Amino acid sequence: ETGVTQTPRHLVMGMTNKKSLKCEQHLGHNAMYWYKQSAKKPLELMFVYSLEERVENNSVPSRFSPECPNSSHLFLHLHTLQPEDSALYLCASSQDSGLPGTEAFFGQGTRLTVV
Amino acid sequence: DQQVKQNSPSLSVQEGRISILNCDYTNSMFDYFLWYKKYPAEGPTFLISISSIKDKNEDGRFTVFLNKSAKHLSLHIVPSQPGDSAVYVCAASALGSNYQLIWGAGTKLIIKP
Repeated sequence: ETGVTQTPRHLVMGMTNKKSLKCEQHLGHNAMYWYKQSAKKPLELMFVYSLEERVENNSVPSRFSPECPNSSHLFLHLHTLQPEDSALYLCASSQDSGLPGTEAFFGQGTRLTVV
Repeated sequence: DQQVKQNSPSLSVQEGRISILNCDYTNSMFDYFLWYKKYPAEGPTFLISISSIKDKNEDGRFTVFLNKSAKHLSLHIVPSQPGDSAVYVCAASALGSNYQLIWGAGTKLIIKP
């Protein structure tokens, strides 16, 4: 496998459920990201991990909890979500070289519906 | 306040003609700009980028132009092909903030046969 793989592709969960999204990258990158894509809105950065340490958290509600056990894997744990959290959740990775500019490579996304 | 704006939600172009997608930004600290192509319910795919030290970057049918004084960049696709129909998203990053890509809302490009 190559690239960035996200599972599951689709998820429907109730507001009291606990679920996790998984992301795996096979590109040897050292930074991984979670983004939220809502309809007709720009991509919203949620979390950034570099070398397995969280370096950025854009004021995301605590019902979203990321985990990065190693440089190839990233999880997003979901707990007591609200219907407005329904969106496409995208994982991305990049190589943080310290030089200006870097391309992020995205997974296919998980379409999450909270009922 | 959006720092990266794509004011045209959609654009329709005849096959074979030139497609020009526009992007404006407000933050003068942005030094790297990227264009991504996106299909519905999928992650974006990197297309082409440009550093602020350049004003043009070309890759096959795709050319990105940067006008720093106007804080404007554009993506030219020529000739346009049916497979180019997708949403094109502009993104920018600032010096010292490689992680923080700021995204536009995207422009839906429709190539008519």
